Amino acid sequence: AQSVAQPEDQVNVAEGNPLTVKCTYSVSGNPYLFWYVQYPNRGLQFLLKYITGDNLVKGSYGFEAEFNKSQTSFHLKKPSALVSDSALYFCAVRDIEGADSWGKLQFGAGTQVVVTP
Amino acid sequence: EPEVTQTPSHQVTQMGQEVILRCVPISNHLYFYWYRQILGQKVEFLVSFYNNEISEKSEIFDDQFSVERPDGSNFTLKIRSTKLEDSAMYFCASSGGLVVFQETQYFGPGTRLLVL
Repeated sequence: AQSVAQPEDQVNVAEGNPLTVKCTYSVSGNPYLFWYVQYPNRGLQFLLKYITGDNLVKGSYGFEAEFNKSQTSFHLKKPSALVSDSALYFCAVRDIEGADSWGKLQFGAGTQVVVTP
Repeated sequence: EPEVTQTPSHQVTQMGQEVILRCVPISNHLYFYWYRQILGQKVEFLVSFYNNEISEKSEIFDDQFSVERPDGSNFTLKIRSTKLEDSAMYFCASSGGLVVFQETQYFGPGTRLLVL
């Protein structure tokens, strides 16, 4: 089955420092990978996705992610973190296994990012 | 910018009661989804809906659950007889386009359901 793993429950970073949130995936076939962010009491906001093409994907709010096929990873990065980036980040993979699959998202457990001033 | 909207934002109900959660997907989108997130747990897929019928559902989505698109804009999730374990945040999502696997799913703000 398609799945993603987020190995860190929480990432702490000082404002202005680089931020990395890790995600690894397991798929059969081509991976379709997504990052979402959830602020307190809010819905999931789309940040970026990898479908095909350039391994470095740029997204909203200065975030980018690097697709690495050999390491089966899709880490989210931001060169300089802001306090307002403090939120819960979810990696997700499109589940396209099975003849009846319509591409539901399989989410990771989420990583809480805390950016301190 | 178009958004997915959901009502109500919070719902408290007694065990055994029926609840209907409402969603207005983005207007030109074709695919509609419900997910839920039990407090402290992963976001889980419930059901997808396309062309006025369920296209895929998870094992969570049993006979107590149903979905409907009663008109051209609303998309509802009904839980017939709520259980304590149905307490969760329920998210509606929609996506457009023809290549469903590549399309981004846009999520609403969620309805927090509390079953007492």
